[in-house]
Amino acid sequence: QMQLVQSGAEVKKTGSSVKVSCKASGYTFTYRYLHWVRQAPGQALEWMGWITPFNGNTNYAQKFQDRVTITRDRSMSTAYMELSSLRSEDTAMYYCAITTGTTPEDYFDYWGQGTLVTVSS
Amino acid sequence: EIVLTQSPGTLSLSPGERATLSCRASQSVSSSYLAWYQQKPGQAPRLLIYGASSRATGIPDRFSGSGSGTDFTLTISRLEPEDFAVYYCQQYGSSSGITFGQGTRLEIK
Repeated sequence: QMQLVQSGAEVKKTGSSVKVSCKASGYTFTYRYLHWVRQAPGQALEWMGWITPFNGNTNYAQKFQDRVTITRDRSMSTAYMELSSLRSEDTAMYYCAITTGTTPEDYFDYWGQGTLVTVSS
Repeated sequence: EIVLTQSPGTLSLSPGERATLSCRASQSVSSSYLAWYQQKPGQAPRLLIYGASSRATGIPDRFSGSGSGTDFTLTISRLEPEDFAVYYCQQYGSSSGITFGQGTRLEIK
């Protein structure tokens, strides 16, 4: 069955960076767009960006344009989301999710279990 | 970007009752590219509805979606105990990116 397994919780200092991984299984990694969505405690979902695993093309939400980098390793069927210049407001659960369609802007039918990133001074 | 406003913020109902959740977009959502998700505490969101009215695989038929343009509705015909959760709408038809509503909390009355 299709599955996305994310790396474990992280505690980071203000101003540092964090890199979260998302390992895909049960489907052909290059066939689906992979997105990152975050959720601050008690808050709504917030889309961050996507990557095309086939060729590495990316698109980021304007809010995160300067601080987020999404990459992938095709040999490992794994995608990564790195967020830099961390501040306390970046404390959130970070999810990877995949879409089913032929365009990246689509609905998400599979989600990872989430990775909690805590930022403190 | 398209802003989605969900109402009400919290809905208090009893099992067996009908729930109606609203999602209004700041501009028209092209081709009804709107989805609904259910999220329970400590869990990732779960896809319920896509294309405004198509149920995802395995979703019970008590869940239905409707609407077009800027006004969309998620209806749960008869609430089961496991339906009490937070519900989010999402639009995916805009070139300016994907956006979510702020959520509606469905709680037991």
